[in-house]
Amino acid sequence: GAGVSQSPRYKVAKRGQDVALRCDPISGHVSLFWYQQALGQGPEFLTYFQNEAQLDKSGLPSDRFFAERPEGSVSTLKIQRTQQEDSAVYLCASSPRGGRAETQYFGPGTRLLVL
Amino acid sequence: QKEVEQNSGPLSVPEGAIASLNCTYSDRGSQSFFWYRQYSGKSPELIMFIYSNGDKEDGRFTAQLNKASQYVSLLIRDSQPSDSATYLCAVSGSSNTGKLIFGQGTTLQVKP
Repeated sequence: GAGVSQSPRYKVAKRGQDVALRCDPISGHVSLFWYQQALGQGPEFLTYFQNEAQLDKSGLPSDRFFAERPEGSVSTLKIQRTQQEDSAVYLCASSPRGGRAETQYFGPGTRLLVL
Repeated sequence: QKEVEQNSGPLSVPEGAIASLNCTYSDRGSQSFFWYRQYSGKSPELIMFIYSNGDKEDGRFTAQLNKASQYVSLLIRDSQPSDSATYLCAVSGSSNTGKLIFGQGTTLQVKP
């Protein structure tokens, strides 16, 4: 079956622009995670959804970052007034139910470059 | 101290050798431990997970967990050039959400 998909795959933004990154999780997966991966680093947690509820947003680096999953399936990560330090790969992952023991399946990521 | 620590490497081994990748973590409440492989420019893919102390084997891969020492390792036997990648250790900590805390990854180079 289809895996996690993300769009766009690449995004170049000028500093100060707003961007929106989309994630389509595996169909039926309850849990959805967003991670940020800087070059040469491991992914860092941003936020977590269980269905449409955003249960953990402790990893969002500033109030310029906003995520939503209004119908419990597709999710959008929005970054307002982008800064150069926002340049990274943004990974989305989903899991069937969530919880500490479940495998997360990652999408291909969106590579964001802020000039 | 980082929550999950790995040696960034690169770790270089000859083809056919055993590669040993190590990871330590700080949260004693951590329950689940994952090894992901990430090829350059690609997303992480799961290699193995382990929940209980001891060894878990899957083909050429063995994961080892020692909760008392807060240590996880991954052994790759009969290493192949196609194993050359970055290996990410991930820990599902005390949080019930299942969010993963990743190490920075160890780059493995298998030389033919």
